[in-house]
Amino acid sequence: EDQVTQSPEALRLQEGESSSLNCSYTVSGLRGLFWYRQDPGKGPEFLFTLYSAGEEKEKERLKATLTKKESFLHITAPKPEDSATYLCAVREAGNNRKLIWGLGTSLAVNP
Amino acid sequence: NAGVMQNPRHLVRRRGQEARLRCSPMKGHSHVYWYRQLPEEGLKFMVYLQKENIIDESGMPKERFSAEFPKEGPSILRIQQVVRGDSAAYFCASSSDRLLFYEQYFGPGTRLTVT
Repeated sequence: EDQVTQSPEALRLQEGESSSLNCSYTVSGLRGLFWYRQDPGKGPEFLFTLYSAGEEKEKERLKATLTKKESFLHITAPKPEDSATYLCAVREAGNNRKLIWGLGTSLAVNP
Repeated sequence: NAGVMQNPRHLVRRRGQEARLRCSPMKGHSHVYWYRQLPEEGLKFMVYLQKENIIDESGMPKERFSAEFPKEGPSILRIQQVVRGDSAAYFCASSSDRLLFYEQYFGPGTRLTVT
C-alpha cells in the first residue's frame, strides 16, 4: 500500500538549534513530493515541490532535499515563528492529481 | 489573485440538519479537493473534482455526503443529517490546470460543529 511516513511526530527546539524533519514514502513512481506548513486554525500553506532525486529547494531558513526514498526538511537556526506543523505529501504516477499525505511533524521552537 | 475562498468559516448545526460548505478555487484552477481534519490528526482526503465531474471520491463516506463542482459557481460539499462525529475542520484546496503544476493551494477551512 502506498504510504507517506513523517518523523518525528513532534520536535521541540531551542531558538537557533538547527534540525531536520523526515518524510519517507513508498509509492510506485514518484511524480512530485510537496512540503506544507500548517499553523493552528489555518489551512496548510504550500512551501516546496521536489520532483527528482538530488533536487534541493530553499526558502529563508528552510531547505528541502529529495532522495529516491525520502525527503528532508532542514531548518537552519530556527526562530519561534517557525513553530508549526509541517506536512509532506506525494503524487504517484498516473493521471490522478490526488496527493497522499503524511500525518505531519509538530515543531515547537522555544525562544 | 485571490486565494482559495471557503465559506462559511464557522458553521453550527444541530443533529439531523444539513450542512453546506462552499469553496471557490483560485483563478485559473479547475481542480478542487476536499479534506477533513480532526484536532491533532492529519488531513484525510475526501473527494477530488474537476469542473462538472467527480474524479475520485474514494475518501468520502457513501451515505450522507455528496460533492459537486458545477460549471458556474463554487464547489459544494453537502452533509445531510449531520451527526456529532461530523464535527471537524473541512478544507478545500485547488490546483492549476497547467501541466506539471500539481501543488494544491488551501483555503482557510470551515469549522463545523454539530450540537
